[in-house]
Amino acid sequence: TQLLEQSPQFLSIQEGENLTVYCNSSSVFSSLQWYRQEPGEGPVLLVTVVTGGEVKKLKRLTFQFGDARKDSSLHITAAQPGDTGLYLCAVPTGNQFYFGTGTSLTVIP
Amino acid sequence: NAGVMQNPRHLVRRRGQEARLRCSPMKGHSHVYWYRQLPEEGLKFMVYLQKENIIDESGMPKERFSAEFPKEGPSILRIQQVVRGDSAAYFCASSLTRGDYNSPLHFGNGTRLTVT
Repeated sequence: TQLLEQSPQFLSIQEGENLTVYCNSSSVFSSLQWYRQEPGEGPVLLVTVVTGGEVKKLKRLTFQFGDARKDSSLHITAAQPGDTGLYLCAVPTGNQFYFGTGTSLTVIP
Repeated sequence: NAGVMQNPRHLVRRRGQEARLRCSPMKGHSHVYWYRQLPEEGLKFMVYLQKENIIDESGMPKERFSAEFPKEGPSILRIQQVVRGDSAAYFCASSLTRGDYNSPLHFGNGTRLTVT
């Protein structure tokens, strides 16, 4: 069983559409991070959420941390081809950051 | 370039050879993490090091794999007697202090190891 489950695993949408991806767990976390990884590159941090119920916005991206701090969502408004990539959620646990399985997003022009 | 530098970007080794992957952390960062990634998968933790110390190697296979972060120079991930199953992308990340929400991870662009 994965500590973090991300859904959907794959998502292909047309430019201009809205989408939401999810990061779920049965455990409670002190914080959660979202990264985007483009092909051939390393992950880049998008946001860190800390407080239950917290909402953070980064241009067209809206991140929410669940009230119980067990899950998170990422909503993209009016997706663009530049949003294409692998979206990973991660939580600090012990001596590491544990990464979810990822959502691979393709935005078709 | 002040980011995390990994080299080589691509490495091809025959079965049984050694692979040596290098990582120079961001300037001022003394905490280094190594992760492994298979295609279309998330990142799997391998090892966490501080300067001259291995803090947590719980994700690294006990045999054939080793890591170091010397006082001077880059961190090295060494894989001896490589097998086809070692083919993957290996990412290094660094942080200012022990990684948490105040000290996030900064990743390099990885080394893609192919074992033939």
